[in-house]
Amino acid sequence: DAGVTQSPTHLIKTRGQQVTLRCSPKSGHDTVSWYQQALGQGPQFIFQYYEEEERQRGNFPDRFSGHQFPNYSSELNVNALLLGDSALYLCASSLEGQALYEQYFGPGTRLTVT
Amino acid sequence: KQEVTQIPAALSVPEGENLVLNCSFTDSAIYNLQWFRQDPGKGLTSLLLIQSSQREQTSGRLNASLDKSSGRSTLYIAASQPGDSATYLCAGNSGAGSYQLTFGKGTKLSVIP
Repeated sequence: DAGVTQSPTHLIKTRGQQVTLRCSPKSGHDTVSWYQQALGQGPQFIFQYYEEEERQRGNFPDRFSGHQFPNYSSELNVNALLLGDSALYLCASSLEGQALYEQYFGPGTRLTVT
Repeated sequence: KQEVTQIPAALSVPEGENLVLNCSFTDSAIYNLQWFRQDPGKGLTSLLLIQSSQREQTSGRLNASLDKSSGRSTLYIAASQPGDSATYLCAGNSGAGSYQLTFGKGTKLSVIP
């Protein structure tokens, strides 16, 4: 059973650049959420995608945007990178209609902004 | 707005001890509560999920309880092993219409052989 996969594993970017992170959900899942985890902190919710639309968003600026494709995979885009964007970016998937809303997480992408 | 707090921030125990990790939350309308394990630099592994209608869940040496009235959840680990060393995070959402998980900062557990 394929779990949640993310790419790339690590990424180094310069301030002001743009970055795209990718996520493939667990087999059979149709919903993807993105979280940002700074060092020593718990993950913070960025947004969730379902049916190719953003349906809930956390307290993140518009520099953070995303997309969901017909095969349920997702991308997270961050524009005009700041040093403070350095973090572990986690993708989680779940199945709509599953009453528990249980989320399964991928291994994450470590983004370093210099 | 849901807020989640975990105490203690770090815990060190000798191998074989039983231990309890604590999680408190502010919104009693919590829909479910999930406990996760995170190894250094890695993603999250789901350990247990408790629905709002349940009071506890068990998996092997792990037992998690949920008390909505007091805003608390505990994770009990029996007969701890060095392989249990990791950061443990709890997370909850607020209400059936909320898809967002709100996390605590975690408890870093070290089990000493």
